[in-house]
Amino acid sequence: GAGVSQTPSNKVTEKGKYVELRCDPISGHTALYWYRQSLGQGPEFLIYFQGTGAADDSGLPNDRFFAVRPEGSVSTLKIQRTERGDSAVYLCASSLTGVGAEAFFGQGTRLTVV
Amino acid sequence: AQSVTQLGSHVSVSEGALVLLRCNYSSSVPPYLFWYVQYPNQGLQLLLKYTTGATLVKGINGFEAEFKKSETSFHLTKPSAHMSDAAEYFCAVRPRAAGNKLTFGGGTRVLVKP
Repeated sequence: GAGVSQTPSNKVTEKGKYVELRCDPISGHTALYWYRQSLGQGPEFLIYFQGTGAADDSGLPNDRFFAVRPEGSVSTLKIQRTERGDSAVYLCASSLTGVGAEAFFGQGTRLTVV
Repeated sequence: AQSVTQLGSHVSVSEGALVLLRCNYSSSVPPYLFWYVQYPNQGLQLLLKYTTGATLVKGINGFEAEFKKSETSFHLTKPSAHMSDAAEYFCAVRPRAAGNKLTFGGGTRVLVKP
């Protein structure tokens, strides 16, 4: 595709449920990132993939959050036992690997936990 | 750990007036520096970046930013605001030494008055 695609664009779920958020990066981009943007704040780093492996998952807030990228392309962010505090916009970005390589962002998935 | 401070969560300017958005970073080694713009219900779009070389960087839509190492700053300017500049602007840094994650400031929302 032309850009980073995230699905769904909106997700409403009940507290305690499990959700999956999908990111389809730009073709050929080996690096993929997940960020979380709460209302009125800047994006916060969650996890970074280089190929299939998570090179840095230091931003995942707790063990309810998990992400995979099994074939080095599409990635899924998984949240177990959702809490109201998980409500935010989840942003995905991808880039080539290189000095100062630009990260291209998707439009995000707005997650609302009720 | 790196941090980014954007002074002023909201800025109001008149159409045709100077736009100045302030960004200061905290890092022992000057990082790569970025400015992103986010229009309503859209993803982040790169305005400009500084990696090396000339410290005055020109970006899209008439924006520019100057890296000042002595002031640990990377302020964003545009000589003449346009109504279409109304958006939220984020300053971000990425370490040179290792790692690819972006650390964002809290954002500055720009309102342009006719």
